[in-house]
Amino acid sequence: SYELTQPPSVSVSPGQTASITCSGDKLGDKNVCWYQQKPGQSPFLVIYQDTKRPSGIPERFSGSNSGNTATLTISGTQTMDEADYYCQAWHIRTGVFGGGTKLTVL
Amino acid sequence: EVQLVESGGGLVQSGGSLRLSCAASGFTFSSYWMSWVRQAPGKGLEWVANIQQDGSEKYYVDSVKGRFTISRDNAKNSLYLQMNSLRAEDAAVYYCARLEGIAVAGEFDPWGQGTLVTVSS
Repeated sequence: SYELTQPPSVSVSPGQTASITCSGDKLGDKNVCWYQQKPGQSPFLVIYQDTKRPSGIPERFSGSNSGNTATLTISGTQTMDEADYYCQAWHIRTGVFGGGTKLTVL
Repeated sequence: EVQLVESGGGLVQSGGSLRLSCAASGFTFSSYWMSWVRQAPGKGLEWVANIQQDGSEKYYVDSVKGRFTISRDNAKNSLYLQMNSLRAEDAAVYYCARLEGIAVAGEFDPWGQGTLVTVSS
């Protein structure tokens, strides 16, 4: 089965840049999405097709994907960005999520 | 406004059955692939199943094949998940989500608020 690996946690100071990685075999050949989930809330799409931002998502959120690693980058991180982040891709018509990364802003 | 509202969750004994529903509004339901995604308490997200616009194609995660059935009623703008032979490991919040973009391999957007399934032994 296909697996996506994320670091369990990432910490960043307010105003700094946070990078969350997602690794998988030949992941660069797939489209990667990123979801944000705050406690008690449903997940929310923040990046799709590797680099695209849905309307309403701040420009500080960006994505990249190459080789075996996709990266979600949050520039000028704000306290409101503290949340769990999940990467997701498709492998042979089945959905695969990374284990999630808890972003702490302190 | 696009909205997805799940219902049907609850407490069920191991080996029992439950049917989840998802009521869609604010968009042309029959034009989209739809999905179920679950999240066990304190755990990450797990994709469960997809269904094509007319219900002719369905895909499942291996752990639920043969036990769960995804279906839809486009006339009622509704998505369903029939869950049989439930196990302790099926306990989770179940989210309904619309698939945007590249057909079966698109992005989940938006998500419903979720419905909680608890399985007792």
